[in-house]
Amino acid sequence: DADVTQTPRNRITKTGKRIMLECSQTKGHDRMYWYRQDPGLGLRLIYYSFDVKDINKGEISDGYSVSRQAQAKFSLSLESAIPNQTALYFCATNFRGTGLNTGELFFGEGSRLTVL
Amino acid sequence: AQSVTQPDIHITVSEGASLELRCNYSYGATPYLFWYVQSPGQGLQLLLKYFSGDTLVQGIKGFEAEFKRSQSSFNLRKPSVHWSDAAEYFCAVAPGGDKLVFGAGTILRVKS
Repeated sequence: DADVTQTPRNRITKTGKRIMLECSQTKGHDRMYWYRQDPGLGLRLIYYSFDVKDINKGEISDGYSVSRQAQAKFSLSLESAIPNQTALYFCATNFRGTGLNTGELFFGEGSRLTVL
Repeated sequence: AQSVTQPDIHITVSEGASLELRCNYSYGATPYLFWYVQSPGQGLQLLLKYFSGDTLVQGIKGFEAEFKRSQSSFNLRKPSVHWSDAAEYFCAVAPGGDKLVFGAGTILRVKS
C-alpha cells in the first residue's frame, strides 16, 4: 500500500458542486500539504498544515478549504467548483527535520479533477 | 518572493546522449534545492537534493546536479539517457526548509 493515499483518483463534476478530496498517510509525518498541478505552471501550494491544529494558506487558496481531521488525514474541499479548478491535485507530507532531512516531500499519486 | 525558473518547457534527446536540464532560483540565501521526476500518471519522486557541502550531488537513476551559487543555478545532468527517463522534471527550492516552491517543469522526450 502507498504511504500517501489520495481518494478519489479521478473525479468529474459539474460547476457549483461541492467536492472533497481526501488524503491519508502512514508515514507518521506531522506536516501535510495540498498542491495543484497545471500544465506549464508546475505545482502551486494551496494549503498546508504543520500539525493537527495548524492550517495555513498557500499561494492559491481562494476557492478552497481544508480540514486536518487527524495527524494522518488532510482533506481539501471545493465548496462550489468552477471549471478553472480543473487540475491534478497532489497531497504531500514531510516532517520537521534537520539538515538533509529538511524539506523533502513525499507525494501521493494525485487526484485528477474535471469540472464541467 | 522566492521563485524557480526552468527555461526549457520541452527537451528532446536521443537515447544514449547526454542531458542537462536547467534550473535557476531567486532567493537571498542558499536554499534547500531539489529535483523531482514525474512519470506519466504518477506522483513525484525525489531524484536528489542539495543542502550544503559538496556542490555536486549524486541522485538516483544515474542523475547528478551541480549547485552554482554565483549563477543561482542547480542544473540536472545525466551522461547517457535511457528511454525510461522520458518524464517531466521539476526543480524546487525550500527557502527556509519549509514549503517547497516548484518550477514549471521540463518535459523530457527520448528518441530512439
